[in-house]
Amino acid sequence: RKEVEQDPGPFNVPEGATVAFNCTYSNSASQSFFWYRQDCRKEPKLLMSVYSSGNEDGRFTAQLNRASQYISLLIRDSKLSDSATYLCVVNGDSNYQLIWGAGTKLIIKP
Amino acid sequence: EAGVAQSPRYKIIEKRQSVAFWCNPISGHATLYWYQQILGQGPKLLIQFQNNGVVDDSQLPKDRFSAERLKGVDSTLKIQPAKLEDSAVYLCASSTRGGLYDEQFFGPGTRLTVL
Repeated sequence: RKEVEQDPGPFNVPEGATVAFNCTYSNSASQSFFWYRQDCRKEPKLLMSVYSSGNEDGRFTAQLNRASQYISLLIRDSKLSDSATYLCVVNGDSNYQLIWGAGTKLIIKP
Repeated sequence: EAGVAQSPRYKIIEKRQSVAFWCNPISGHATLYWYQQILGQGPKLLIQFQNNGVVDDSQLPKDRFSAERLKGVDSTLKIQPAKLEDSAVYLCASSTRGGLYDEQFFGPGTRLTVL
């Protein structure tokens, strides 16, 4: 099992719809979780950190499920500009190591 | 505030040649990372510096890759000799302290093509 796994997609979603995708991780002791966004041929940028209690930032909601070892990202009222690859990042065994998923590609269609 | 700077943006070389990439992190950031991102994959950490010391280089192919961060500021990554499978985007990132909860800020990357 990979340390961090994501469905590569692509998820093709009409504008205005709600879309959600998950990221599973193998290390039950992981403490830090992030979603980064990467536009085509651009560098990754932090979208949001994922807290134990879940957190929301506008149309984006991130949640952590420790029992099943996954984090999720929900996007409501999707916009064309949300089209990107969403990368999941989880800390590994050491105090500084972060493991990156391969990303989920999202395409929002008019 | 200036972001992470990288150069060159693009590089095309033939296999067995050498290549070097340069990165200047955000001012005051103690931690610097070099990642390799192959098309369709997530970033893979090659090396992490804390100031001018190496924190993690477990995935750096040390027979051909080397990196240094003199004076704890800018950094260079070198490949010598290059192989076809080294074709990728090389991303440099920095963070304030390198802690598990710190945001990483990325540069635009160097796109390397090995022919």
